[in-house]
Amino acid sequence: EDQVTQSPEALRLQEGESSSLNCSYTVSGLRGLFWYRQDPGKGPEFLFTLYSAGEEKEKERLKATLTKKESFLHITAPKPEDSATYLCAVRIHGSGNTGKLIFGQGTTLQVKP
Amino acid sequence: DAGVTQSPTHLIKTRGQHVTLRCSPISGHKSVSWYQQVLGQGPQFIFQYYEKEERGRGNFPDRFSARQFPNYSSELNVNALLLGDSALYLCASSPGTGELFFGEGSRLTVL
Repeated sequence: EDQVTQSPEALRLQEGESSSLNCSYTVSGLRGLFWYRQDPGKGPEFLFTLYSAGEEKEKERLKATLTKKESFLHITAPKPEDSATYLCAVRIHGSGNTGKLIFGQGTTLQVKP
Repeated sequence: DAGVTQSPTHLIKTRGQHVTLRCSPISGHKSVSWYQQVLGQGPQFIFQYYEKEERGRGNFPDRFSARQFPNYSSELNVNALLLGDSALYLCASSPGTGELFFGEGSRLTVL
């Protein structure tokens, strides 16, 4: 069964304390891995797409990396405004369409000043 | 630029009622997908429509249905509401390059 698991479920950091969020996946064939940020009561905001092992993407304090089994979202010197839930999702081969993503349960990040 | 817009933002229904949720995609996007997000979980795929045709369906009962209109806007309909249908319903549009762009969602509470 195709599955996406994120860890930890919750993470508390002090402002400036760098860390990483993990997304591990077991799927029949990966067609893309996506990272989203979601604020409470809001829809997910697109951050990155990764397609192949070794690929990296950066945006401000965030950097996403991809291996054959997992992806990491590295947060460098976080600020309180980085507090949110970060969602990982995959698109798999044979899904028959491009609109179906399989999401993990998310990691809720809290950055304290 | 206008993003994905959804309406209503919040609504309260009672068990057994029917609900219709609406979505307007980003201009130029022809694909619309619907997701259900229960509190504390990641979104779950319900439907995808492209050029008014259903292109995918998730593991949801037949009480859930959707359609897409010629202007690419979409409706999600849920009949015979159950308490367990309480969730944030998300609409996402795609330009066909793979990324999905989500709206703010419709928060449904079933009493």
